Amino acid sequence: GAVVSQHPSWVICKSGTSVKIECRSLDFQATTMFWYRQFPKQSLMLMATSNEGSKATYEQGVEKDKFLINHASLTLSTLTVTSAHPEDSSFYICSARDRYRGDEKLFFGSGTQLSVL
Amino acid sequence: QKEVEQNSGPLSVPEGAIASLNCTYSDRGSQSFFWYRQYSGKSPELIMFIYSNGDKEDGRFTAQLNKASQYVSLLIRDSQPSDSATYLCAVNTAGRRALTFGSGTRLQVQP
Repeated sequence: GAVVSQHPSWVICKSGTSVKIECRSLDFQATTMFWYRQFPKQSLMLMATSNEGSKATYEQGVEKDKFLINHASLTLSTLTVTSAHPEDSSFYICSARDRYRGDEKLFFGSGTQLSVL
Repeated sequence: QKEVEQNSGPLSVPEGAIASLNCTYSDRGSQSFFWYRQYSGKSPELIMFIYSNGDKEDGRFTAQLNKASQYVSLLIRDSQPSDSATYLCAVNTAGRRALTFGSGTRLQVQP
């Protein structure tokens, strides 16, 4: 399967700081990447769809000014949590689809556990 | 009604038994169905996908799809303790490029 690399794996930060999470497709090109968030014992909730070279599409209820997404190349998307607060503590997971595959399979990064103190 | 529904469990089965995991979905236009396995603190791992009605087998795993009933299931034969995890059903819904996930079923395989 395709490999998606996500960094960092975990981060602890103080309230009010910003945190950047990187997501890279290592062996394929991804025009679209998806950012999910997962709270404990809950399912994955889509936050936004990251599109290479254009603005991200955010799901209802997700603040675009708080969760900044940049998809500057076919292999890299970043999510920046700005002015993080304790309620932003969650497991953030990126995923991508191989643009040359004819199917809908999503491959996931290893996730980032964010803890905001 | 949730778009993708799963029983949260836990589903407890003895080692060597067949584990049966179920999922229903609301969008009749859905075409692709996936089962992911997620260990605690880890990201989901794709284990099965199915696009057509009927059964699809891969090793110890069998996915079953019934579009008329809007139902997809996952059977795990000869369950092992290492199969203990949360199993997420995911569906592509019309007009969305991302997958929609169910809340997951926690499976416990007892040694």
